[in-house]
Amino acid sequence: DGGITQSPKYLFRKEGQNVTLSCEQNLNHDAMYWYRQDPGQGLRLIYYSQIVNDFQKGDIAEGYSVSREKKESFPLTVTSAQKNPTAFYLCASRRSGLAGGEDTQYFGPGTRLTVL
Amino acid sequence: RKEVEQDPGPFNVPEGATVAFNCTYSNSASQSFFWYRQDCRKEPKLLMSVYSSGNEDGRFTAQLNRASQYISLLIRDSKLSDSATYLCVVTLNTGGFKTIFGAGTRLFVKA
Repeated sequence: DGGITQSPKYLFRKEGQNVTLSCEQNLNHDAMYWYRQDPGQGLRLIYYSQIVNDFQKGDIAEGYSVSREKKESFPLTVTSAQKNPTAFYLCASRRSGLAGGEDTQYFGPGTRLTVL
Repeated sequence: RKEVEQDPGPFNVPEGATVAFNCTYSNSASQSFFWYRQDCRKEPKLLMSVYSSGNEDGRFTAQLNRASQYISLLIRDSKLSDSATYLCVVTLNTGGFKTIFGAGTRLFVKA
């Protein structure tokens, strides 16, 4: 089945530790995105990538890092520099990258990160 | 002003009711429009695209008014399973492609 997977579903981290969230898609989509959602809030864009080996900062990139070495993978690292990392993290992909297009984004099931 | 604005609700309606959600967007260059549904503690899922001619999918009807920069979603004959948060989504391509999500409108359908 084609889709987007994220792992783990739940993640607990001690303060001061870096942690990496996985996002994989087998939809052959060019663009991939990372969002953060806090309780009762909307989505906020962390990073996005429209093509392999390229990525751009979103609205709240501080304290996060990403890589896009393969088309199907876009891992997100939450570093110790992120002041309030506890949140629901959502990865999404979109068929068209730099070309624009009218297609929309499809989301993975999310990772719930809690900092203890 | 937010780029995409929605009434946060919550809307509390009885089963069988008709409910309408509104959304406004600020950039007249916006290209594409969508409604997503997000259940509690789950990811957003595409509900339907929105076209200027209006489109319908069963009990759901979406409308777009480009002149007023306004999008709507109408749900007829509400079901308990319609309880969720509905997100208005707009895309634009001005010096780079961008997708903007509204904060969502919460709906509770009661028996």
